[in-house]
Formats: sequence, C-alpha cells, structure tokens
Amino acid sequence: DAGITQSPRHKVTETGTPVTLRCHQTENHRYMYWYRQDPGHGLRLIHYSYGVKDTDKGEVSDGYSVSRSKTEDFLLTLESATSSQTSVYFCATNTDQGVDTEAFFGQGTRLTVV
Amino acid sequence: AQKITQTQPGMFVQEKEAVTLDCTYDTSDPSYGLFWYKQPSSGEMIFLIYQGSYDQQNATEGRYSLNFQKARKSANLVISASQLGDSAMYFCAMQSTGNQFYFGTGTSLTVIP
Repeated sequence: DAGITQSPRHKVTETGTPVTLRCHQTENHRYMYWYRQDPGHGLRLIHYSYGVKDTDKGEVSDGYSVSRSKTEDFLLTLESATSSQTSVYFCATNTDQGVDTEAFFGQGTRLTVV
Repeated sequence: AQKITQTQPGMFVQEKEAVTLDCTYDTSDPSYGLFWYKQPSSGEMIFLIYQGSYDQQNATEGRYSLNFQKARKSANLVISASQLGDSAMYFCAMQSTGNQFYFGTGTSLTVIP
C-alpha cells in the first residue's frame, strides 16, 4: 500500500478559525492532490501540486490555500473556516508516468466546522 | 472541459448476480485513463480497475470488468457474482493530460442476501 498519511483524522473547529490539514507521503510521488467529498458531489478537486512549491487551483479552491515545501508534505489550510467547509477531505498522490497510473489515497480527514 | 457522469445514485443487486454501474465521460484529450474506485462504509478509497483510452481490449480484474465503449464515451463497471462485501460506494474517475483526476458523483451499491 502507498504510504499516505493524513493528519488529523478527525477535527472539530469553530467558524472563523484557521485550520491546517497535513498530508504526508513516503512514495516520492510528484503529484499530490486535495479533494473534498460531499454527498451528491463525489470528490471535487481543491488544489493540486506538481512539484515542490508548484501548486495550482482546482474547481473548488475558494477559501483554501496550500503549500508544498517538501516532496513528501502537502498542507491544506482553511484560512477562516466556515460551516460550508464541513466535509471529508482526501489527499491523493500520483506518479509522473502518464495517464495510466491510479491515484493513491490517504484515509481521509473528517472536518466539522461548528 | 473534463466531466464524469454517473447517473445511478443507488443500485440494488441480488447476491451472486451480476451488476453494471454506468459511467460516461467527456474529454477532448486523445489520451486518457479511466478508473474505478470502491469506497466501503469505512471510508477508504480502493482502486479497482483501469482502462486506457488506447487499449483495444476491455480491462478485467478478477470479478471486475470494464465495458469500454470509446465512441459512446462510456466506461461501465461490471461486477460479476456479487458478494455482500461489494456493498459500497463506487466512483468512476478519469485522468487526462495535466495529471488531474476527475470523479463522478458515485453510485451506492447494495447487495441483497
């Protein structure tokens, strides 16, 4: 199994507070992604990274920022959490081998904003 | 724009029967990959099967097969001999140039004993 670890696994936070989720991989994969999963919406891409310090926005990036200072770590920050950001967040990674390798997922982080 | 569509929010199948989960996609990229993932109630994402856009044969992995019809832009998952442990959420996904993955909204499959 790909070594992808998300922390924390569960978090409850208050509206307006900043929150940082961490994704750590031991696979040396070039690409890393943050998705959110909501009922009826499937998985939607928030941000992704194609290398150290190289990141780009996905389809639902408003209110989120990311950083990647090392190959193995990809951080997702909710700058000022809102109730609409209550969701399950998944980190995923992928090699740089074209379109024929699957995405490897972390275990997910359940975030509740109250 | 890339898009994955799963039109079956929920499906039921009798144990030991086969079931087909539908997936259609939209892309203008000539090269792309299609994937199916399973998400059981425990929440993890489990990779099931892959089909490349240039593959001539449909992919198979044990009881899973992918019915790939390129002209119709469909990539349906067929599960044969359903088991109770197949009850889960199933997601279709596409990867195209740019290395982004696009996911459908998922199909919840329930296997009835």
